[in-house]
This record gives sequence, structure tokens and C-alpha cells, in this order.
Amino acid sequence: AQTVTQSQPEMSVQEAETVTLSCTYDTSENNYYLFWYKQPPSRQMILVIRQEAYKQQNATENRFSVNFQKAAKSFSLKISDSQLGDTAMYFCAFMNGWETSGSRLTFGEGTQLTVNP
Amino acid sequence: DAGITQSPRHKVTETGTPVTLRCHQTENHRYMYWYRQDPGHGLRLIHYSYGVKDTDKGEVSDGYSVSRSKTEDFLLTLESATSSQTSVYFCATQKGTGDGYTFGSGTRLTVV
Repeated sequence: AQTVTQSQPEMSVQEAETVTLSCTYDTSENNYYLFWYKQPPSRQMILVIRQEAYKQQNATENRFSVNFQKAAKSFSLKISDSQLGDTAMYFCAFMNGWETSGSRLTFGEGTQLTVNP
Repeated sequence: DAGITQSPRHKVTETGTPVTLRCHQTENHRYMYWYRQDPGHGLRLIHYSYGVKDTDKGEVSDGYSVSRSKTEDFLLTLESATSSQTSVYFCATQKGTGDGYTFGSGTRLTVV
């Protein structure tokens, strides 16, 4: 079974600065997907970024980018120019690419990020 | 218009009573999932569906059952609620294999 580990339960950053959230995973598969989800105080789960394991290029979405190190099984999220609205719980998640009856997501425990003014 | 609607949004129930949570989607997505969220555990999969009447168990399925009689609706039933089932429950849909999930707004269930 796959496992996802987020070793930083809480982090804080000053507005406009850059912060990196860590995530490691364990799998024996070669075909998989990795995700970062954001959960603000509203409780809504919002997809931040998606990475395909076969793509060497790191995914980027505006101020959000990842550092995907496949050999090290590491998938960190970098948030540039942090904004107060980035305050949220961030979840790293793993999806096996070989499943044919749906693709189950395995989540890490989450990192609570606080952006300070 | 919300693509995924969960009902109710909040519920308090007594130990031993049956409870059904509903997930309704207008996305026409094939795959649907039920997760529970608890502090220190992230989100854990309860059950999922890969088509009408096609369902399977997740990692924390004990005490839960599901049904999917049509594409748009996925029901989660707690046959006899226990205090350990106090949690926030999320429904999610997925268009295709490898796609990200779209989540509902969650249901906060308290079993007293």
C-alpha cells in the first residue's frame, strides 16, 4: 500500500515571502500521479496542482510550483509571494495510475500553513 | 451552480441510529468517492463507486455501506452510528482515471 508523509504539521510565513511544504511518498509503482490540495477554513477542498510521474517537468500553476524528485520520492510545494488567502491546510496526495476501477487518492496528514501580515 | 452537493451539511445523531448522507453531482462523472476527515489522519477512503451499482470498499469501510442507483447520486449509510464515526465526511467525483477529484463541501456528523 502507498503511504504519504507530510512531516511539517504546521508552518508559518510572512506575506509576500516564499514557503515550501514537504511531502514524501512510498510506492513501488512507476505510473502514478501526485496532487496538492488546499483546504481553507471554509472546509472546501481545492485542487492546487497535479503532477504526472512520467513527466520530468515540474508542474506550475501561477504562484504555486512543485519540486518533483522521483528517485527520492519527494514532492514539495513552493508558494511564492504568499498571500493572506493562502492560509489553509495543505494536503499532499498520491494516486496509482494503473487502477482500472477508479483512482483512489491516498492523502498525507496535512500541513497547516499560516500567512502572517 | 454547485457541481457536487452534499446533504445535510451538519447533523447530530444519537448512538445506535441509522444515518444516510447524500452526495449529488451534476458533472456526469463516472467515479465517486466517500472520505472521512479526522485530525491527524488526513482524509481516508471509506467506499467508492466506479459506475452505477458498482462499488467497492476503501480502507475504513467497517460500519458503512453505500449505494449508487444512478450516476448522479451516491449514498453513504451508517447502519448504527457510533461515537467513533463522528467526523467530517467528504464526497468527491472524478471524471476519468488520473484526473483530480472535485469535492463537495462536506458533512459534519456528530454522534452523541
